[in-house]
Parts: sequence; structure tokens; C-alpha cells
Amino acid sequence: GAVVSQHPSWVICKSGTSVKIECRSLDFQATTMFWYRQFPKQSLMLMATSNEGSKATYEQGVEKDKFLINHASLTLSTLTVTSAHPEDSSFYICSARRLAGGPGRNEQFFGPGTRLTVL
Amino acid sequence: AQSVAQPEDQVNVAEGNPLTVKCTYSVSGNPYLFWYVQYPNRGLQFLLKYITGDNLVKGSYGFEAEFNKSQTSFHLKKPSALVSDSALYFCAVRDGNNYGQNFVFGPGTRLSVLP
Repeated sequence: GAVVSQHPSWVICKSGTSVKIECRSLDFQATTMFWYRQFPKQSLMLMATSNEGSKATYEQGVEKDKFLINHASLTLSTLTVTSAHPEDSSFYICSARRLAGGPGRNEQFFGPGTRLTVL
Repeated sequence: AQSVAQPEDQVNVAEGNPLTVKCTYSVSGNPYLFWYVQYPNRGLQFLLKYITGDNLVKGSYGFEAEFNKSQTSFHLKKPSALVSDSALYFCAVRDGNNYGQNFVFGPGTRLSVLP
């Protein structure tokens, strides 16, 4: 199967600090990774699309300087929440898509999520 | 543009009874349809998908869904609900003619199976 991990699974930080969340595809290569944000009892909101070796594409309304995304390899993407504030508290979920043309190419494989709480 | 509607915020069903979670979609191209389940404080787990072929798709944990092109629907069903099926269910669609396009998720339906 295709497994995606996220680290950490939960984090509590003080307002004004930066937090980095890692998303890894463990047994496949992912040219594209996606970052979602989910508020309580709501659906997933796509924040950005991350392609290996290039700049991320952010959705409208998402501050790229606030949410820094780095997709340095085919198995790792990171999301850094800079100068976090309480309103950034949320559940962040990443997903990964296999290389084009490979098996499972039509699917996204989701990580378990990271719960961020900013005090 | 793509969109997904899940008309029910909440579905309650008694254990052992059949369950249905509704989903309708809109996509300009070829619909690729998915169902995911989310348990509290967890990521999304894949249940099943429709890409092509038989309209009735069978997936994990005894779930199935029927693709209905004329009604643009992809309702999730299970013949006999379990208490452990209680969770949040998301329907998603992607345009199969556009590989680069992302999924669009519905708002989610909370399923409660009562013992």
C-alpha cells in the first residue's frame, strides 16, 4: 500500500513561534503533495499544492509568507507555520500523489494529520 | 469547475439497519469519484473509488457505492451498519481528463450508528 506519514502528530506552541510539519511518502515517490487545513466539524480546505523542486501553488486567501512549503525531495514536503497565532490552531493534513502514469496515479494518499494548538 | 454536495450534515441509523450517505457532484470532464472516512483526530482513510467500469463499486469494510451518471450521484451504502462505522464521511471528485487537477471535497456527513 501507499503510506503517508506526518510528524509531529500534535504540537502545542506559544504565539509568535514557528512550527514545522513534515509529510513523508514512505513507500512511493510523490511528485505532488497537497496541504489541507481542517477546522472542527468542517471539510478539508486545500491550502497549497507542492511539486517537487518547484515553488508551491497557494490557493486564494492563503498567505504564502505565513505558510512556507518546501518540497525538497520526492518523498518529503514540509509546511512551516511562521509566527503562529491562536487563529492558526487547526488540524493540518497532507496528501501525496504518485508519479504520473504509475499505479494508483488517480488517488491521493493522506497522512494522519497534525493538530496544531497555538497558545 | 468541480463541486460536491453532501446534502445531509448528519445521518443517524440503528445498528444492523442499512445506511446511505448521499453525494452529488458536478464536473466538467470525466468524473473520478471517491469516498473517504475520518475518525476523530485522524487523517482520511480511503474507502472506495469509481474511475470506470461497473457502476457499483465495492470498497473497504463492507461499503459500496453506486455511480449514477444521469443523476450525477455517488451515494455510499452499507447493508448492515455497525456502531464502529460512526465517523465523518467525505465524498470527493476529480476531473479525470485533467491529471493536474486536485480533488474537491464535499462538506462531509457525520454518521452516527446507534446501538
